[in-house]
Amino acid sequence: DAKTTQPTSMDCAEGRAANLPCNHSTISGNEYVYWYRQIHSQGPQYIIHGLKNNETNEMASLIITEDRKSSTLILPHATLRDTAVYYCIVQGGSEKLVFGKGTKLTVNP
Amino acid sequence: DTAVSQTPKYLVTQMGNDKSIKCEQNLGHDTMYWYKQDSKKFLKIMFSYNNKELIINETVPNRFSPKSPDKAHLNLHINSLELGDSAVYFCASSESGTSGSTDTQYFGPGTRLTVL
Repeated sequence: DAKTTQPTSMDCAEGRAANLPCNHSTISGNEYVYWYRQIHSQGPQYIIHGLKNNETNEMASLIITEDRKSSTLILPHATLRDTAVYYCIVQGGSEKLVFGKGTKLTVNP
Repeated sequence: DTAVSQTPKYLVTQMGNDKSIKCEQNLGHDTMYWYKQDSKKFLKIMFSYNNKELIINETVPNRFSPKSPDKAHLNLHINSLELGDSAVYFCASSESGTSGSTDTQYFGPGTRLTVL
């Protein structure tokens, strides 16, 4: 079973920041928070991951709370091509990715 | 250059047939995976191989048999296909996959299997 809770769906206006929340209250010390997304009819795509510190790359930023029980993925300037299902996954050493239902993000013109 | 490729992209077949899906990765990764995404869009891992050795085998019917001829390839053979096997199958790979580490996984484009 997925160890994360995400809203089922969210909307965002094109050009605005999209903030996708994720709760992972049972995360353990050696588990990372990973974000993937799946654009319609494509394979899942890695976005970003982190352990404790906030992370930023060319795609997004990941903000992890100090207690590590929740996180937020930020797409700073959402485009129509960012419309996808976003999966927040907690992953430890077992290597098994457990996908939940994710958040369906719709970016509107 | 395609990192993780799968063939075929679409596969339509009759119940009872045997079919194979091929996967290749050119990333030099040691670990490869097969996932199944059903009609409700749930994505679940089926198998994982590390350097041609099976390391994850979820509860999958034994009609499904993965085969890894080398670490760059992981093929999925399905015997006696059933209606419930209709789904999208994704192959993925990661750098190490050894216990105690975490690795980003890179997914292929998927194979849509339809069993009639």
